[in-house]
Amino acid sequence: DGGITQSPKYLFRKEGQNVTLSCEQNLNHDAMYWYRQDPGQGLRLIYYSQIVNDFQKGDIAEGYSVSREKKESFPLTVTSAQKNPTAFYLCASSLGTSSHEQFFGPGTRLTVL
Amino acid sequence: AQSVTQLGSHVSVSEGALVLLRCNYSSSVPPYLFWYVQYPNQGLQLLLKYTSAATLVKGINGFEAEFKKSETSFHLTKPSAHMSDAAEYFCAVTFYSSASKIIFGSGTRLSIRP
Repeated sequence: DGGITQSPKYLFRKEGQNVTLSCEQNLNHDAMYWYRQDPGQGLRLIYYSQIVNDFQKGDIAEGYSVSREKKESFPLTVTSAQKNPTAFYLCASSLGTSSHEQFFGPGTRLTVL
Repeated sequence: AQSVTQLGSHVSVSEGALVLLRCNYSSSVPPYLFWYVQYPNQGLQLLLKYTSAATLVKGINGFEAEFKKSETSFHLTKPSAHMSDAAEYFCAVTFYSSASKIIFGSGTRLSIRP
């Protein structure tokens, strides 16, 4: 089945540690996205990538980093510079500029201890 | 500025009653509009989308939405609520000129009373 997978489902991190969230898609989509979701605030865009080896900052990129070395993969690193990283993180993908519909993964819940 | 507003962060209806979730957008160019549903601790699932074809759009699970340009609205409706409809619903908008970014509303939590 085609889709988007995120791992792990739940992640715990100590303060000061970097952590990487995985996002993989087998939909052959060009564009991929990372969102952060906090209660009552909807989705906020962290980073997005329209093509391999290229990505752009979203609205809340500070304290996060990404890479896009392969079309199928778009990992997100939450660095120690992110002051309030506890949140639900969602990855999405779309065909690209010719398609506007985004498909979402199941999410990763990150908790900082 | 382009934006989307969902009126009501929480809506509660009785089982079998009409569901109406409101969404208004602001745009200077023709929009593409979406409704997504999110169940607890899951990702978002597309309910329906408007992409400049028919103004009345039918989606999954018996939901539909009507694009009204004069009112800049895209309200989501379902004639008869079911307990399984309890979830968070997000309206979203994008535009051909900025195809890579979708703007999401803040969400409306729908509760269903037995």
